[in-house]
Amino acid sequence: DIQMTQSPSTLSASVGDRVTITCRASQSINSWLAWYQQKPGKAPKLLIYMASSLESGVPSRFSGSGSGTDFSLTISSLQPDDFATYYCQQHSSYPWTFGQGTKVEIK
Amino acid sequence: EVQLVESGGGLVQPGGSLRLSCAASEFTVSTISMSWVRQAPGKGLEWVSVIYNGGTTYYADSVMGRFTISRDTSKNTLYLQMNSLKTEDTAVYYCARGTPTSAGTLDYWGQGTLVTVSS
Repeated sequence: DIQMTQSPSTLSASVGDRVTITCRASQSINSWLAWYQQKPGKAPKLLIYMASSLESGVPSRFSGSGSGTDFSLTISSLQPDDFATYYCQQHSSYPWTFGQGTKVEIK
Repeated sequence: EVQLVESGGGLVQPGGSLRLSCAASEFTVSTISMSWVRQAPGKGLEWVSVIYNGGTTYYADSVMGRFTISRDTSKNTLYLQMNSLKTEDTAVYYCARGTPTSAGTLDYWGQGTLVTVSS
C-alpha cells in the first residue's frame, strides 16, 4: 500500500498568514493526488485535484503543487473560514489512501 | 444541485450485518464511479470501496470479503452491504462521487451515516 505522510500534524496560524502543508507519498503517484478540507461534523470538501488543479468554486488563495512523491497545499492568506483539517489522498493505485490529516488551528 | 444522502447506519452487534444506502440526485449513479469512505471517531479518512460505471469494484483489504458495493439504477442508489461486522468497523460512512475523468477525485460527498459495532 502507498503510505501518505502529511506534515505538520497540527499547525497554529493567524488570519492573513501564508500556510503550507506538505504530503509525501511512499512511492511515486505521478499527479494522482487530491486535497480535501474537513470541518468538525461535516463531510470533506474537495479543494485541489490532480495535484495542482483548483476545484470549481474554491477560493484562489488555495493552491497545490508537486508530482511524484512530494506535494504541498498552500493557503496564501489564511481566512477565518479556513480553520479546519486538511487531508491529501492518492488515487494512483489501490487501495486509495489518505494522509493522517493536518489540523489548522487559530494561533 | 448534486446531492448524496446516506442512510442505514445504526447500532449492530459484532458479527452482524448492515446495509447502507446512498440516494443520489441530479446525476445517475451508474454513469460515474462511486466510492465509500469511512472515518472512525476522532480519526482520519479511510477509503473503503469503489464501483466504476462499468461495474468493476475494488475494496480496501480491511473489508475485502465482508463488504459488497453495489448500485440500483432504477432507484439511483448506491449500497454498501456490510457483513461480519467488527468493532473496528465503527465509523461514519460517507458515499462520494468520482469525477468523469478521475474516479479517485471525489467531488461530491454525502453527509455521512454513523455505524456503531458494539455488544
